[in-house]
Amino acid sequence: GEDVEQSLFLSVREGDSSVINCTYTDSSSTYLYWYKQEPGAGLQLLTYIFSNMDMKQDQRLTVLLNKKDKHLSLRIADTQTGDSAIYFCAEATGAGSYQLTFGKGTKLSVIP
Amino acid sequence: GAVVSQHPSRVICKSGTSVKIECRSLDFQATTMFWYRQFPKQSLMLMATSNEGSKATYEQGVEKDKFLINHASLTLSTLTVTSAHPEDSSFYICSATTVEGGKLFFGSGTQLSVL
Repeated sequence: GEDVEQSLFLSVREGDSSVINCTYTDSSSTYLYWYKQEPGAGLQLLTYIFSNMDMKQDQRLTVLLNKKDKHLSLRIADTQTGDSAIYFCAEATGAGSYQLTFGKGTKLSVIP
Repeated sequence: GAVVSQHPSRVICKSGTSVKIECRSLDFQATTMFWYRQFPKQSLMLMATSNEGSKATYEQGVEKDKFLINHASLTLSTLTVTSAHPEDSSFYICSATTVEGGKLFFGSGTQLSVL
């Protein structure tokens, strides 16, 4: 079955880079997503990458995809205290499928 | 960006009562809406897929008579938890796709507590 794994906690100092890792098992994934959940709020789509891409950069965010190893990472440059949140990795499988399988989320804590 | 409004954000109810949660796409038409449930320290679990004008498709293990889903229009889907029990206490989140597809936009979630 489908499974998405990510570490539960990450702590970084303000100004440093954060790297959140995620592994998935379904090789037929079409889209892979990163969502951010701030306390008491819903999920906010940060970025997504098509499965035929290796990298996507959007301002401070860089997504790397290693399809061979089924490994996805999110790098946040110059991490700020406002980046403290839970980050969810998710995969979508099947043509036209928006049914996502989520990881358990990585709680990012930024130390001032 | 597309906005999904979910209401209420928090509800406390007595065991045996029913609770309705609304999910609205405010500035776009959502042909498909999804309902998720999140247990503490667990990932989001898809409960059902709701297409406008048709019956919802439930994931395995989700009781359709317990979790009633109605998607009467392109901007509104509702989830009714019937005869709620304490084990139904959870965080419920809806999401919707735009016509262009490829992105899911989420509501802010509803924290349900059943006493």
